[in-house]
Amino acid sequence: DQQVKQNSPSLSVQEGRISILNCDYTNSMFDYFLWYKKYPAEGPTFLISISSIKDKNEDGRFTVFLNKSAKHLSLHIVPSQPGDSAVYFCAASALSSGAQKLVFGQGTRLTINP
Amino acid sequence: NAGVTQTPKFQVLKTGQSMTLQCAQDMNHEYMSWYRQDPGMGLRLIHYSVGAGITDQGEVPNGYNVSRSTTEDFPLRLLSAAPSQTSVYFCASRDPGTGIYGYTFGSGTRLTVV
Repeated sequence: DQQVKQNSPSLSVQEGRISILNCDYTNSMFDYFLWYKKYPAEGPTFLISISSIKDKNEDGRFTVFLNKSAKHLSLHIVPSQPGDSAVYFCAASALSSGAQKLVFGQGTRLTINP
Repeated sequence: NAGVTQTPKFQVLKTGQSMTLQCAQDMNHEYMSWYRQDPGMGLRLIHYSVGAGITDQGEVPNGYNVSRSTTEDFPLRLLSAAPSQTSVYFCASRDPGTGIYGYTFGSGTRLTVV
């Protein structure tokens, strides 16, 4: 039972254009949503987050949108750069057994083409 | 360098062998977690700890043991390795005061069980 889903395993975008990565979730108790970026042979690194009480959070070229009614969030990267090529994980946080835990999606491999 | 250090980076085991994956952090973080990453599954929580002497199970704990005798170290033990435990393992830590986005991940251990 996958509570956080990224239905696109891969995405290819031209340099300079917008990259849009999508994520769906099923648990309405999630209170924070996060995006992580992962390069090969490295651990995931935190990129951007959004609280469940907001619908948008922006940080430079990265913007995350949250649609609670649809249980959907998306990450927009504008403009896309070659260094953005990586695997992106969507994650959601909920309190469980007294501790805040992260649930991850399957990941989307983003490739930025020159 | 401050951060989360995982050893070894690569390991091949035979079915039935035991081993310990090491994880150490020098940031005095109270919270530590172990995840496994499998293709199409994202990262799944194996075990976590909210402080020395306190551990609990995550989503996929079977076949793994943990203990937390110090704040710095959180080893993951495989008592009798199985091919289903072939995966990439990530250790992560955070200070409870930094919020759910404050996780620092190690660079991973790639384990193959033959």
